[in-house]
Amino acid sequence: GDSVTQMEGPVTLSEEAFLTINCTYTATGYPSLFWYVQYPGEGLQLLLKATKADDKGSNKGFEATYRKETTSFHLEKGSVQVSDSAVYFCALLNVKGSNYKLTFGKGTLLTVNP
Amino acid sequence: DAGVTQSPTHLIKTRGQQVTLRCSPKSGHDTVSWYQQALGQGPQFIFQYYEEEERQRGNFPDRFSGHQFPNYSSELNVNALLLGDSALYLCASRFDRNSPLHFGNGTRLTVT
Repeated sequence: GDSVTQMEGPVTLSEEAFLTINCTYTATGYPSLFWYVQYPGEGLQLLLKATKADDKGSNKGFEATYRKETTSFHLEKGSVQVSDSAVYFCALLNVKGSNYKLTFGKGTLLTVNP
Repeated sequence: DAGVTQSPTHLIKTRGQQVTLRCSPKSGHDTVSWYQQALGQGPQFIFQYYEEEERQRGNFPDRFSGHQFPNYSSELNVNALLLGDSALYLCASRFDRNSPLHFGNGTRLTVT
């Protein structure tokens, strides 16, 4: 079945540091890939997405490129801020007919210190 | 425009009891999904409702059931609660199959 593996945290960075959170996936066919962010006490917010190979999703300074050859979708940001502290989830979507189910990784806790 | 709203925000139940969680989808959305997020884990798909019918189900026992109403709102029911059912329950809705899921802030269920 489909699965997502993302680097385990927690990740602790200083403000303005470079961020990479690794994500790899296993899936049949051509899934769409997503990064969701969860701030303390809140639900999940879509951060960015990519629907086909070599697509680059970007939002709020975050980027991720859909690499089919390495089955990866790593999240990057050039300069993190304290407000980026949250849990980040990588997810894939394999739509088959009426089936629409997101498969999530376990999440990576990011803490950014001033 | 209100997003996905869930109630209650927190709930404490005793083992063996039954619980009902509620969800109103984002305006214009007709498909509702439920996810269970255990502490320190990613969300796990429970089921999806469309046109008042369960269309897809994850690997959850029959103790988990749901309902969708004509106004697209939805309920998640869990019978015979176990300690392991303690989790954040997330409701999500979408406009169509090409649209991303929008999540609510969840209901935190604690089973003692």
